[in-house]
Amino acid sequence: AQRVTQPEKLLSVFKGAPVELKCNYSYSGSPELFWYVQYSRQRLQLLLRHISRESIKGFTADLNKGETSFHLKKPFAQEEDSAMYYCALSALRGQNFVFGPGTRLSVLP
Amino acid sequence: DTAVSQTPKYLVTQMGNDKSIKCEQNLGHDTMYWYKQDSKKFLKIMFSYNNKELIINETVPNRFSPKSPDKAHLNLHINSLELGDSAVYFCASSLEGQPQHFGDGTRLSIL
Repeated sequence: AQRVTQPEKLLSVFKGAPVELKCNYSYSGSPELFWYVQYSRQRLQLLLRHISRESIKGFTADLNKGETSFHLKKPFAQEEDSAMYYCALSALRGQNFVFGPGTRLSVLP
Repeated sequence: DTAVSQTPKYLVTQMGNDKSIKCEQNLGHDTMYWYKQDSKKFLKIMFSYNNKELIINETVPNRFSPKSPDKAHLNLHINSLELGDSAVYFCASSLEGQPQHFGDGTRLSIL
């Protein structure tokens, strides 16, 4: 069965510092990976998906099949980036969608 | 023109009551989901419906029952509410293989 892990429950960085949110997955097939963001008391929103290979709000994520990782990175964190970040995996054409436990990012002034 | 809307936004009720949360999507998606987010922000899928068929049912208590009158609606009915049911419940929808779109959530508080 597929599984998504995010080792850090809480990550605190100072404004302007680089940030990396870790995500590892286990799945025997070819998964599709996503990052979702949830700002305080708001809905989850799609941030990135690996197949689009785009940068949203300065965030990027590269799928590393060798390390089974999909880490989320931003070179210069902003205070408005403070939120919960969930890594997610879709298998079997979307019929099995699994979220990681989430990482709370806190960007300090 | 909210894509995924759920009502009510807040629900405060007493233990033992029966309540329903409604969800509607206007995106033309064929799959809808219900998630439970606990106080630690852990997100757990409860149900999903694809073309009016239940395709995922994580081991949730049978007090929870999803009802889908059509492809655009997936309501969540909860019987005999318990203290541990207090959480935020999110509805979501998607096309097969595509990212999920979430509603604003329903904050359920059991007194």
